[in-house]
Parts: sequence; C-alpha cells; structure tokens
Amino acid sequence: ILNVEQSPQSLHVQEGDSTNFTCSFPSSNFYALHWYRWETAKSPEALFVMTLNGDEKKKGRISATLNTKEGYSYLYIKGSQPEDSATYLCASEKGGGNKLTFGTGTQLKVEL
Amino acid sequence: NAGVTQTPKFQVLKTGQSMTLQCAQDMNHEYMSWYRQDPGMGLRLIHYSVGAGITDQGEVPNGYNVSRSTTEDFPLRLLSAAPSQTSVYFCASSYTPRSNYGYTFGSGTRLTVV
Repeated sequence: ILNVEQSPQSLHVQEGDSTNFTCSFPSSNFYALHWYRWETAKSPEALFVMTLNGDEKKKGRISATLNTKEGYSYLYIKGSQPEDSATYLCASEKGGGNKLTFGTGTQLKVEL
Repeated sequence: NAGVTQTPKFQVLKTGQSMTLQCAQDMNHEYMSWYRQDPGMGLRLIHYSVGAGITDQGEVPNGYNVSRSTTEDFPLRLLSAAPSQTSVYFCASSYTPRSNYGYTFGSGTRLTVV
C-alpha cells in the first residue's frame, strides 16, 4: 500500500443497521491514524487519533480499531441513525514528518 | 472561542489575478496547515507551519506562498491564479503536530478561477 485507501467509496444503510468501513495505509514508518467525520456543508471534525497497534477507541455508537502491522483500520457504527450520514475520512501520519495523507473517504447515507 | 476562521467563504478570480486566503485561529495552536479538496481526491496538503516563522511545503505547493508571522495567522497567497487552482481550500490547526486530539478545520473557502 503506497497511499491511503478507503472502502467502500459509498454506502447506503437503513436506520438501525450496523456498518463498518476500512482504511488501508502504508505500514512502514507509521506514526498515527486519524478518523474524521465530514458532514455536507461543514468542515471535517476529528473522531479518533490512534497510534498503537491494537488500539481501540470508542465515542458513543462509533468505534475504531487499528492494526499497524498490516496497515489497516476499521471504523464501526452501531445502530446507524440518519444523523450519522456524512463522509468519513481517514488520514495516515508517518513518523518524522508533520503531514497527514488523507484517503478519499467513505460516504455514508442512513435512510429511514 | 471561534476555532479556525477562514475568509472569504467564496471567491471568483480571473486568470492571472492574485489574492490571499486568510486563516486565523484563537486556540494557541502551534501547527497550522492548508489543504485543497478536489472531486474524487483526498484532501491534499499545500503548505504547513509548525510555529511562527517556520513554514514548509506539502504535497502540492506550486503556485502558492505562505508566511507565519504570528501564532494566530497563516495566510495562503495565490500569486497568479490559474483555472487548475479552482478548488475548496481548508485551513487546519492543532496544538502540536502530533496532537492526540486531531486537527481543527476551518469552514473552507470555495475558489473559482475563470
């Protein structure tokens, strides 16, 4: 993996469904993995920043896991609600630098 | 607490014109950065600064200049606008380059170059 890749590109789920997205990133020289939530017409908001292999973080119904050895992170949303509709971005930060490399995002739409 | 403030929100320029996109934060963040967002692409880093007086190039710096004379302000200058610079520009800041709180983003500037 040379770049940060996110899948799927878009996702439509029903209210109450649980869902998850994947972020793949270069595992060499890894420092941190960021997740952001980006609602239409707003600016990205930080959800999680993870640095340790095996790290798990949770905020309400949203949680994330990190595997630095294989270079992937999962974002989980339990019991999706319409207000969860947004684009979810991940970004990888390498050691020794001050730069984030962003993926193109997963666009989630939660329908009633 | 205003967070990160970007001005203007919208701007139309003619090819060859110059302008400055303003970014100010009131959180005493040391690290500030500029990104551009284009359809089908992730946010791409243009320039960043780790403190007053220190700036460095990101992934797509050509055609843009920055300076950081104060902790609060990090303006982005387009020297001679080109249609390829039509984009949405975001300024972001964090307390340190390695903040565990992530970055705080401004609301963006939508720039069209005709």
